[in-house]
Amino acid sequence: NAGVMQNPRHLVRRRGQEARLRCSPMKGHSHVYWYRQLPEEGLKFMVYLQKENIIDESGMPKERFSAEFPKEGPSILRIQQVVRGDSAAYFCASSPIETIQTQYFGPGTRLLVL
Amino acid sequence: KQEVTQIPAALSVPEGENLVLNCSFTDSAIYNLQWFRQDPGKGLTSLLLIQSSQREQTSGRLNASLDKSSGRSTLYIAASQPGDSATYLCAVSNTGNQFYFGTGTSLTVIP
Repeated sequence: NAGVMQNPRHLVRRRGQEARLRCSPMKGHSHVYWYRQLPEEGLKFMVYLQKENIIDESGMPKERFSAEFPKEGPSILRIQQVVRGDSAAYFCASSPIETIQTQYFGPGTRLLVL
Repeated sequence: KQEVTQIPAALSVPEGENLVLNCSFTDSAIYNLQWFRQDPGKGLTSLLLIQSSQREQTSGRLNASLDKSSGRSTLYIAASQPGDSATYLCAVSNTGNQFYFGTGTSLTVIP
């Protein structure tokens, strides 16, 4: 059973471009969570999604950031018009049930905005 | 809002030593607490999960304790090895669907 997969592992964008980060949960998992780790800071929750639904987006910046988890395919975290402050590691986790005690984390996507 | 603090930020010990990593949190109404390991450029590996009703969990050379009333947890590593070198993260959850993470303790075990 493959673990949580994220791609790309590294992404470089210039200011103003769009960044699309993908997360494929573990097989059988229907719950996805996105976290962001800024340099020298701890991981911070961004959003929790189930298939086709956003359950909790209390950690998402109000502008430029969006997330989806379609019925088919990976979960996508989209950042429009990136700025240098968006440079961070973005981690995805998945779980098979609604409680978070079984979250499994992916390797992360390192985003660098030039 | 839950805040998680980890002390020390960095720790360097010679191989074979026992060591303790500390974690404190401000809101004692937690659902569970989890210790993770993060290697450079890698994801997070769950080490130990302690439910709010438990006081400790053990796995091999690792032992994690939880004192909810004082808002503290410790991770004890026995007989440290160079392969234990990594960043150790403490995370707590309340009743919601998210973890609150500390900034981690960077551990270096010197051969």
